[in-house]
Amino acid sequence: SQTIHQWPATLVQPVGSPLSLECTVEGTSNPNLYWYRQAAGRGLQLLFYSVGIGQISSEVPQNLSASRPQDRQFILSSKKLLLSDSGFYLCAWKGAKDQPQHFGDGTRLSIL
Amino acid sequence: QKEVEQDPGPLSVPEGAIVSLNCTYSNSAFQYFMWYRQYSRKGPELLMYTYSSGNKEDGRFTAQVDKSSKYISLFIRDSQPSDSATYLCAMGQSGNTPLVFGKGTRLSVIA
Repeated sequence: SQTIHQWPATLVQPVGSPLSLECTVEGTSNPNLYWYRQAAGRGLQLLFYSVGIGQISSEVPQNLSASRPQDRQFILSSKKLLLSDSGFYLCAWKGAKDQPQHFGDGTRLSIL
Repeated sequence: QKEVEQDPGPLSVPEGAIVSLNCTYSNSAFQYFMWYRQYSRKGPELLMYTYSSGNKEDGRFTAQVDKSSKYISLFIRDSQPSDSATYLCAMGQSGNTPLVFGKGTRLSVIA
């Protein structure tokens, strides 16, 4: 069966520090991968998605970037965090087209 | 007009009640529909997935899709306190286009 791992579960970082959040999927190959941010009252905001290694689509211009160095690995990064980067970050994957997405348990990021 | 509209609630019901959650959409290209349940501080969990108009039942949950009206519903029978969560609807088009999510409805089932 397929599983998705996302870590860390919580993270507290100072303003201006770098960020690296990692997501890996097991039990499937060539998944579509997604990064979302969820803020209270604003729903899920799609940040990046990838349909293959090295292929990244950005949905929202911002202080973040994403990379997909391996088929089942998706990384969310920032060189310098802003206070506005605080939030709940979710990774998701999807297999064959027209199938639902499956989410990880998220990372709660607090910027001080 | 937003692509997907979902009443954010909060919705509070007594234990045992029938709950009805709804979403409307404007894009007729949506072909498949999902409901996710999200507990506090957790990722959304897939609850129901449907590809066509009509009803799909799974235990106490029934998903209903009406493509002609662009309206989907989730019914929860005999609601339990453990059903207290935020419920998100989601819709997809064929291919790699990302899903579109509603903002979620917060449900509280009171014992």
